[in-house]
Amino acid sequence: AQTVTQSQPEMSVQEAETVTLSCTYDTSESNYYLFWYKQPPSRQMILVIRQEAYKQQNATENRFSVNFQKAAKSFSLKISDSQLGDTAMYFCAFRGGSEKLVFGKGTKLTVNP
Amino acid sequence: NAGVTQTPKFRILKIGQSMTLQCAQDMNHNYMYWYRQDPGMGLKLIYYSVGAGITDKGEVPNGYNVSRSTTEDFPLRLELAAPSQTSVYFCASNRNTGELFFGEGSRLTVL
Repeated sequence: AQTVTQSQPEMSVQEAETVTLSCTYDTSESNYYLFWYKQPPSRQMILVIRQEAYKQQNATENRFSVNFQKAAKSFSLKISDSQLGDTAMYFCAFRGGSEKLVFGKGTKLTVNP
Repeated sequence: NAGVTQTPKFRILKIGQSMTLQCAQDMNHNYMYWYRQDPGMGLKLIYYSVGAGITDKGEVPNGYNVSRSTTEDFPLRLELAAPSQTSVYFCASNRNTGELFFGEGSRLTVL
């Protein structure tokens, strides 16, 4: 079974600085998707960024980018120019061929003014 | 577009009561899922469905039942509610492109 590990339960960053959230996963599959979801205090799950495993280029969405290392099974999220609105829980997730999305336990990110 | 709609948003149950959490999506997605999120934790898969008439168990199916009679609806049934089922429940759907679309969640308390 696939597993997703987020080793940082909590992190904090100063506004306008850069922070990186870590995620590792375990799978024997070669084709899969990886995601980062954001959950603000409103509880809504919001997709931040996605990466297809067959693509070598790292995904980027505005201030959010990933460092995808397929051989190392690592998928970190970098947030540049952090904003107060980035304060949230961040979940890394994996989806292989089984149609199921497996989530990590999350990292609570606090952006300080 | 409504997306994924869950009802109710909040509910308090007594031990032993039963209830159904409703989930509907209007995006014609084949896949639908129910997750639970306990305080400070990630999401755990309860049940999922790859199409009408097809359901399968996830990580934590005990105490729950589902049905998928239409593409749009995927209700989650709790029989004989227990305090361990106090949680926030999320319904989600997608096509086979990977990204999940989530409902706003249903907070259930069992006393």
